[in-house]
Amino acid sequence: AQTVTQSQPEMSVQEAETVTLSCTYDTSENNYYLFWYKQPPSRQMILVIRQEAYKQQNATENRFSVNFQKAAKSFSLKISDSQLGDTAMYFCAFMKHAGNQFYFGTGTSLTVIP
Amino acid sequence: EAQVTQNPRYLITVTGKKLTVTCSQNMNHEYMSWYRQDPGLGLRQIYYSMNVEVTDKGDVPEGYKVSRKEKRNFPLILESPSPNQTSLYFCASSRDRATDTQYFGPGTRLTVL
Repeated sequence: AQTVTQSQPEMSVQEAETVTLSCTYDTSENNYYLFWYKQPPSRQMILVIRQEAYKQQNATENRFSVNFQKAAKSFSLKISDSQLGDTAMYFCAFMKHAGNQFYFGTGTSLTVIP
Repeated sequence: EAQVTQNPRYLITVTGKKLTVTCSQNMNHEYMSWYRQDPGLGLRQIYYSMNVEVTDKGDVPEGYKVSRKEKRNFPLILESPSPNQTSLYFCASSRDRATDTQYFGPGTRLTVL
């Protein structure tokens, strides 16, 4: 089985500042997909960003960007200009290119402080 | 409105009493999946389905059953619930595979006494 590790159970950041959430994963696959999902207090899961392992360019979605280090099996999420609405649980996730099973990490609870 | 619906949203039951949590999507998605969320464990996949009549086990399938008789519906069945199945359950769907954006339902909070 693949494993996804998020070593920061909780983090906080001042509004308008930048924060980075860490994620590492373990796989023997060469081609796969990585994701960050957000779960606000409403519990609704929302896709934040997706990265395909064969693409060297780091994915970016507005204020959200990733630092994908394939050799190190690291996939961190950077949130710039943090907003109060970014307060949520963030989950890193993995899926093999040739598979259909999905693996989530244990999550990082992010609080944006006004 | 495109959405994934789950029912019930909250359920308290007793050990051994069979129950079904329904999941329905109106986006004509091929892929559907069930997850359970537990504190400190994140979300874990229970079962998934690539299409009608095609289902596969995820990481934690023990104690659960699913069926996919229609494209839009993917019910989760607990034949004999036990207290360790107390959890928050999410259904999700995506267009073709989980590599596409997964749309999640609102969650079902299940308590087994």
